[in-house]
Amino acid sequence: AQRVTQPEKLLSVFKGAPVELKCNYSYSGSPELFWYVQYSRQRLQLLLRHISRESIKGFTADLNKGETSFHLKKPFAQEEDSAMYYCALSGGQAGTALIFGKGTTLSVSS
Amino acid sequence: EPEVTQTPSHQVTQMGQEVILRCVPISNHLYFYWYRQILGQKVEFLVSFYNNEISEKSEIFDDQFSVERPDGSNFTLKIRSTKLEDSAMYFCASSEDRYYEQYFGPGTRLTVT
Repeated sequence: AQRVTQPEKLLSVFKGAPVELKCNYSYSGSPELFWYVQYSRQRLQLLLRHISRESIKGFTADLNKGETSFHLKKPFAQEEDSAMYYCALSGGQAGTALIFGKGTTLSVSS
Repeated sequence: EPEVTQTPSHQVTQMGQEVILRCVPISNHLYFYWYRQILGQKVEFLVSFYNNEISEKSEIFDDQFSVERPDGSNFTLKIRSTKLEDSAMYFCASSEDRYYEQYFGPGTRLTVT
């Protein structure tokens, strides 16, 4: 079965603290993984995807096939990082469906 | 920057009624999608559409649902006979091609009473 698990519903950190949002997946084959973000009153938008290996807004994510994980990390959280974060994989029969996790709300306070 | 738009932002309907949710994808995009999110639950894939036909659909997308691209710009989701459990946020998305980034619209909140 294709599944994405985000174990934390809410993660609260102080400004400047490191952040790690956890994501585990279940997928047979080579998955393509994404992090989407939804800021307050805004639409879902792509933050990063594992094949691009970019760092966006200071966030990075490494695909660990052995642990079937794709955790999102940032060394120093900023207040503007507060948002809902969704991990997703590209799945389905034709590979067009995004399979989402339940999301983690990140709250960064000063 | 081009964006996916959706109308209406909120739709209230009675159980058993038909609803049509509308989306205008980004103009040069070829793949179109519908997702839904029931309150407190995860975003779920419903259907993808390419070249005027369904590319892929989930188990949720049963006979009460249909999609259409009636003209060169709109992409619609029709729910034939709404049920209470259809109450959700419905998101439209589009992408340039099959494995490209999916751009999401702001969503339509459907409330079935």
